[in-house]
Amino acid sequence: SQQGEEDPQALSIQEGENATMNCSYKTSINNLQWYRQNSGRGLVHLILIRSNEREKHSGRLRVTLDTSKKSSSLLITASRAADTASYFCATGMDSSYKLIFGSGTRLLVRP
Amino acid sequence: SQTIHQWPATLVQPVGSPLSLECTVEGTSNPNLYWYRQAAGRGLQLLFYSVGIGQISSEVPQNLSASRPQDRQFILSSKKLLLSDSGFYLCAWSAIRPERAWRSPLHFGNGTRLTVT
Repeated sequence: SQQGEEDPQALSIQEGENATMNCSYKTSINNLQWYRQNSGRGLVHLILIRSNEREKHSGRLRVTLDTSKKSSSLLITASRAADTASYFCATGMDSSYKLIFGSGTRLLVRP
Repeated sequence: SQTIHQWPATLVQPVGSPLSLECTVEGTSNPNLYWYRQAAGRGLQLLFYSVGIGQISSEVPQNLSASRPQDRQFILSSKKLLLSDSGFYLCAWSAIRPERAWRSPLHFGNGTRLTVT
């Protein structure tokens, strides 16, 4: 089964609002990454947070990680129509060479 | 800067026909290369990865195969396509060996949409 599961599966917001997406995982990890995918395109890396970090920022993105709850959240502030995309979390751990991707959250930002 | 190219962008093939998808990376040496498949509305499934020329590791036993004839070239093939092979195929590279893949981002190509009819 998937290591990471995003919630919600789909999210529709108005431009200017904040968007929050959550990712839950099952086993211990070394880091967690978030990726973005525009429709019909490849994935683009957004941010990587290590297991010993609790929060990380990059521009309008804020990622939190709670290893005790095995969960992470991605917050996009002041959303824009151009933020419309699918967002995936991916987890990695020492015992495995694979990055395991969740099934993604589809975000629609209405202008 | 590094770039990754995949082609073709879309492909429609009949069941039983062969397949060859190509991926090349520019601007880096000895990249670690990956083939992923994405079903509609789903996450990514790792199919193959390679740490060097001629070195291929398979994740999912199926009728697909991969080859790495040159350092920056990765090819996904099939002798006879099945309907279940339809999907979005993504090539990716990283600078970190797969056993430490979690330390480094993956860089993806724009994918090939394969429809098997």
